[in-house]
Amino acid sequence: NAGVTQTPKFRVLKTGQSMTLLCAQDMNHEYMYWYRQDPGMGLRLIHYSVGEGTTAKGEVPDGYNVSRLKKQNFLLGLESAAPSQTSVYFCASSPQGDSTDTQYFGPGTRLTVL
Amino acid sequence: SQQGEEDPQALSIQEGENATMNCSYKTSINNLQWYRQNSGRGLVHLILIRSNEREKHSGRLRVTLDTSKKSSSLLITASRAADTASYFCAPAEAWGKLTFGQGTILTVHP
Repeated sequence: NAGVTQTPKFRVLKTGQSMTLLCAQDMNHEYMYWYRQDPGMGLRLIHYSVGEGTTAKGEVPDGYNVSRLKKQNFLLGLESAAPSQTSVYFCASSPQGDSTDTQYFGPGTRLTVL
Repeated sequence: SQQGEEDPQALSIQEGENATMNCSYKTSINNLQWYRQNSGRGLVHLILIRSNEREKHSGRLRVTLDTSKKSSSLLITASRAADTASYFCAPAEAWGKLTFGQGTILTVHP
């Protein structure tokens, strides 16, 4: 099993450009999450999905959109990138939504917006 | 929000010493999880302690939970250089949403 994979690993954008980050998991997990990690801020939840075809807002959803067309994939889109979106983005998945579930994290995508 | 707050922010010790990290949170929880993050990597689950448990062990890890004080601690015994990482607590409420704090950066010197 590859677990949770993220594409790309690094990306540099100019302000106003758009891009999509791809997260894929091969563990048949129902729940998937997108976080961003900034120095001194910990991880903050951007959006999450409780199953195929569903999405919901997390703590910091503004400026991002997501889609979960297939159970194994969770896409994070930036329609018009801003320097404030420079961050490391992590995707995670968990089997169900139970509070005892372990979240499995991908290796991260380092995004710089100039 | 239910964000866990870790203390200290940074901890530097020698190999073989014990490392203790603390976590405080604000409201009632179902359980609390601890994760580790090596530099440049994603988070990895270490251990979960349920709200009705007071202490739990896993190898060199010992976790305590005091729900009356809304606090938890993670003890790593006989630390190794490979334990160098950031450690995060994540209080969990009714469903699977975890809220991570800023983490404790642990450096273990050989």
